Amino acid sequence: AQTVTQSQPEMSVQEAETVTLSCTYDTSESNYYLFWYKQPPSRQMILVIRQEAYKQQNATENRFSVNFQKAAKSFSLKISDSQLGDTAMYFCAWGTSGSRLTFGEGTQLTVNP
Amino acid sequence: GAGVSQTPSNKVTEKGKYVELRCDPISGHTALYWYRQSLGQGPEFLIYFQGTGAADDSGLPNDRFFAVRPEGSVSTLKIQRTERGDSAVYLCASSDGNSGANVLTFGAGSRLTVL
Repeated sequence: AQTVTQSQPEMSVQEAETVTLSCTYDTSESNYYLFWYKQPPSRQMILVIRQEAYKQQNATENRFSVNFQKAAKSFSLKISDSQLGDTAMYFCAWGTSGSRLTFGEGTQLTVNP
Repeated sequence: GAGVSQTPSNKVTEKGKYVELRCDPISGHTALYWYRQSLGQGPEFLIYFQGTGAADDSGLPNDRFFAVRPEGSVSTLKIQRTERGDSAVYLCASSDGNSGANVLTFGAGSRLTVL
C-alpha cells in the first residue's frame, strides 16, 4: 500500500523557536509531489509548502522549509520563528500528477507563548 | 468563485435518511476531489472528477455513496440510508488539472452528524 506516516501525533514549541515535523511515505512511483497542509480549527486545509520529487533542492516558503530525502522516503517540515498562528494540525501528503493525494494522520502542533 | 464553497456547513440527520452535500469549486478548475475526515484522522480519499466524469471512484466505501458533476463544475455527494459511522467532515477540493504539481485547494468542509 502506498502510505504516509506521521509518527508524532502531537508536538509543542515555544513562540519564536524552531520545530521539525516528521513524515515518511511509501510509493513505487518515480515522479511525484509532496505537500504539507495546515488545518486550523476552522477546518480549512491550507497549503503550506510543496516539493517536486525530481528536484533535489529543498523547497522553502518564508519560515517554512523541508528536508526531502528521496532515498529514505522522508519529507520533514521545519518551522522557524514559530508564531501563535502556526498552531494547527499539519498533514503530510503525496500524489502524482493528475491524481489523488494520500494524506498522513496528522501532527497537532501547539505554539506556546 | 474565489474559493471552494461547500454547503451545508453542518448537517444533522437521522439514521436511515438521505443527504446531499454540495461543492462549488474554483471557477475554471477541471479537477474536483471529495475526501472524508473522521475526528482526529487525516483526510481519506473518496472520489475524483476530471471534468464531468469520475476518473477515480475507488475510495467510495460502498454503494450508499454516490457523487455527480453533471456540468463539470458543481458536484454533489449523495449518501443514502445514512449510518452513524458516516458521521465525519466531508471535504471538497479542486485543482486546475493542468499544473503538474496537482495543488489542491480545499473548501471548509461539511460536517455531517448522523444520530
